[in-house]
Formats: sequence, C-alpha cells, structure tokens
Amino acid sequence: DVKVTQSSRYLVKRTGEKVFLECVQDMDHENMFWYRQDPGLGLRLIYFSYDVKMKEKGDIPEGYSVSREKKERFSLILESASTNQTSMYLCASGVDDYEQYFGPGTRLTVT
Amino acid sequence: RKEVEQDPGPFNVPEGATVAFNCTYSNSASQSFFWYRQDCRKEPKLLMSVYSSGNEDGRFTAQLNRASQYISLLIRDSKLSDSATYLCVSEPVGSARQLTFGSGTQLTVLP
Repeated sequence: DVKVTQSSRYLVKRTGEKVFLECVQDMDHENMFWYRQDPGLGLRLIYFSYDVKMKEKGDIPEGYSVSREKKERFSLILESASTNQTSMYLCASGVDDYEQYFGPGTRLTVT
Repeated sequence: RKEVEQDPGPFNVPEGATVAFNCTYSNSASQSFFWYRQDCRKEPKLLMSVYSSGNEDGRFTAQLNRASQYISLLIRDSKLSDSATYLCVSEPVGSARQLTFGSGTQLTVLP
C-alpha cells in the first residue's frame, strides 16, 4: 500500500517566518509534487520533481522553493511566510503519468 | 478562464438515486482525463480514468466527449458512502506528468 506522509497536519506560523513542509513516500516513486488547495480554486501545482536534485516550477511557484536531496523526500519551503500562503498543502507522488498518491495534507495558518 | 471547470454543487440526492456530473476543459489538446474523489478533510484519491469509449466500474461510469470538450461521471444507485467531492482532472498535452484539477463538485447522498 502506497504511503505518503507529511510532517504536520496543522501548523501555525507568523508572518515572515521560514516554514518547512516535509513529505516522504515509501514506494520509490520518481515523481513528487506539491500542491495547495483553496476553496473554489481547487488544487494548484506549486512545484514538482522527477528525480533527485531536480525541480520544476508549477503554476504558482512564487514565494516557494523546494528541495529533493533524496528520492523519497520532497520538501516545500516558504522563505518568508505571508498571510496569503494560509492554505492546505498537499504532497503527492507517482510513477506513471496519471495516478498520483496524496499525503494527508498540512493545514498551514500564517498569522 | 479555468482550464477545467466544474459545477461546485452541492448536489444533494437521496440514496438510490442516479446522479451525473459534467466537467468542461478548455485545452483541446489535452490527452488524458480522470476523476478523483476527495472525502471531507481527506486527500484526493484516483477514482477512475476516462476514455473516449467510456469506462465503467461498478456503479460508476465515466465518459469523454472530445468534440464538446466535456467529461462526465455517472453514479447509479447512490450510497451514503458516495458523499464526497469529485475532482475532474486533465493531463494537458506536453505537460508530462502534470495534472490540472478542477475545483470539485460536492455530492451529499441523503438517507
């Protein structure tokens, strides 16, 4: 059974703080993704990675960066958190072209 | 215009009813389409793929109409456990493993 885990379910941070969201998958998937989900907007792709040390911008990369030092781990970094980054963050992994397996999500609140 | 558009609902139907959702996509070159299901406060999970020839899985039937650029999902004999948000998903051509998610249609099946 594929398992994608995220470091926190709920997180509260202050404006300007640096925030790290960690994602780990246990199925040796090559592809990993970070999305944010907001009411009425659906899931929007922030960044993705096809391989270790490789990253590609998604639709809304501004204000975010990522790191993939190991195949199983994909980190999302908010360099200086802002209130408009309050959202649900979902990590996903996959090996083929369409099925992505999602983690449980991190609900981040920036105050 | 959003690349994938869905009626957000909510659709409230009695148990045993048949319900259908439509979804339109704007990129005529999109190659692959899917339905994902997201339960309340849970992560999205792949429900089924959508083919031009139609795809049936038990009580669920998915259809693709390329000429009109819409995808449908039909649920027969609705169960209480079908209550969820249904996400329409496309894989635009050239996107290579990136998925575009609609904002979802909320279904509540009532006893």
